[in-house]
Amino acid sequence: SQQGEEDPQALSIQEGENATMNCSYKTSINNLQWYRQNSGRGLVHLILIRSNEREKHSGRLRVTLDTSKKSSSLLITASRAADTASYFCATVEYGNKLVFGAGTILRVKS
Amino acid sequence: GAVVSQHPSRVICKSGTSVKIECRSLDFQATTMFWYRQFPKKSLMLMATSNEGSKATYEQGVEKDKFLINHASLTLSTLTVTSAHPEDSSFYICSATGPSSGNTIYFGEGSWLTVV
Repeated sequence: SQQGEEDPQALSIQEGENATMNCSYKTSINNLQWYRQNSGRGLVHLILIRSNEREKHSGRLRVTLDTSKKSSSLLITASRAADTASYFCATVEYGNKLVFGAGTILRVKS
Repeated sequence: GAVVSQHPSRVICKSGTSVKIECRSLDFQATTMFWYRQFPKKSLMLMATSNEGSKATYEQGVEKDKFLINHASLTLSTLTVTSAHPEDSSFYICSATGPSSGNTIYFGEGSWLTVV
């Protein structure tokens, strides 16, 4: 089952600009995670935000969580061409299984 | 961080044959492994959850006789696509977790399956 839904589905920006991706989910969560996937490769864990946190930073990444709206956003500041990838949010369901959103395909043009 | 290895990274097989994909946790004991399927430009769809030493739990709509999952040891799970058809062509990704990984979930690099 797919829980999180990302928007936009695709985003194209110029290098140096900020990229914002949003995710919505349907059930109660303990935490929400963001992953990155380069084309045809495995997933890299970016950041985890717990349900009692509202904002978290890691380098150029900023994640927010609004549990009342069941939504999260991932902001990448000062984007680089190397940030080009697909980004997914994921929530943990019973049995510790990750359920992924539809994903946003980000393209950063140099 | 912990490493999860998948093999093969790419495989081509003929229709009607079976193909096995391996998922190994290299430096931790994976009590639970997950198998996902991903179509191009789409998200990951969970296929099944396998716990070491027990039968896999399949998600709704996934044929257990078609996609055989074995998790015989704490470091290895296998996915066997039986009687493969061209529509089985996809990207398959495994992930692994366990107490010795701090219950962090680590992903393999994925395996491209093409059925001709």
